[in-house]
Amino acid sequence: TQLLEQSPQFLSIQEGENLTVYCNSSSVFSSLQWYRQEPGEGPVLLVTVVTGGEVKKLKRLTFQFGDARKDSSLHITAAQPGDTGLYLCAGATSGTYKYIFGTGTRLKVLA
Amino acid sequence: DAGVIQSPRHEVTEMGQEVTLRCKPISGHDYLFWYRQTMMRGLELLIYFNNNVPIDDSGMPEDRFSAKMPNASFSTLKIQPSEPRDSAVYFCASSDYRDHGYTFGSGTRLTVV
Repeated sequence: TQLLEQSPQFLSIQEGENLTVYCNSSSVFSSLQWYRQEPGEGPVLLVTVVTGGEVKKLKRLTFQFGDARKDSSLHITAAQPGDTGLYLCAGATSGTYKYIFGTGTRLKVLA
Repeated sequence: DAGVIQSPRHEVTEMGQEVTLRCKPISGHDYLFWYRQTMMRGLELLIYFNNNVPIDDSGMPEDRFSAKMPNASFSTLKIQPSEPRDSAVYFCASSDYRDHGYTFGSGTRLTVV
């Protein structure tokens, strides 16, 4: 069974601080996605990465896919209260189109 | 587009009753997924369809769960009989194979008492 472990599980920081969230697995993924989920809503896709070593930036968010395509990280620069939410990574292995979701990181940014 | 539409938003039912959750995917999307989310187990994939055909139902917990997709614009997830441990938020998502990104609905919060 594929398992995507995210760390930390919970994170509470002050506005303006930087943070990094990690997503690790023993499986190799053909693609990996990051989502953000707010209370009472479904997850919203932030980015998809498909190439080992790939780095993508979305404003203050930087996503990196590990060289071996087993892990990924999400770095947020100068966090804002609007970044508060549950961050989920999801990976799909080669030959499938189904994404398995990670355990999640619950982020709270205090004003 | 209105996005993925799920109904009802909330459902409270008694143990043993039949529950039907509904989903309307985004028009033109050829993949549809049903997920369940709980605090203990996170987001679990239950089943997914491609062009209305079930492709992988290995995540369906028991025979009490069934899902159908009679046409490209409608899917149902049925639980019969329901049990308290089925209480969770059930999400439907759809995707276009060319895009890979899932669009999730707002979910149905099911409480079985």
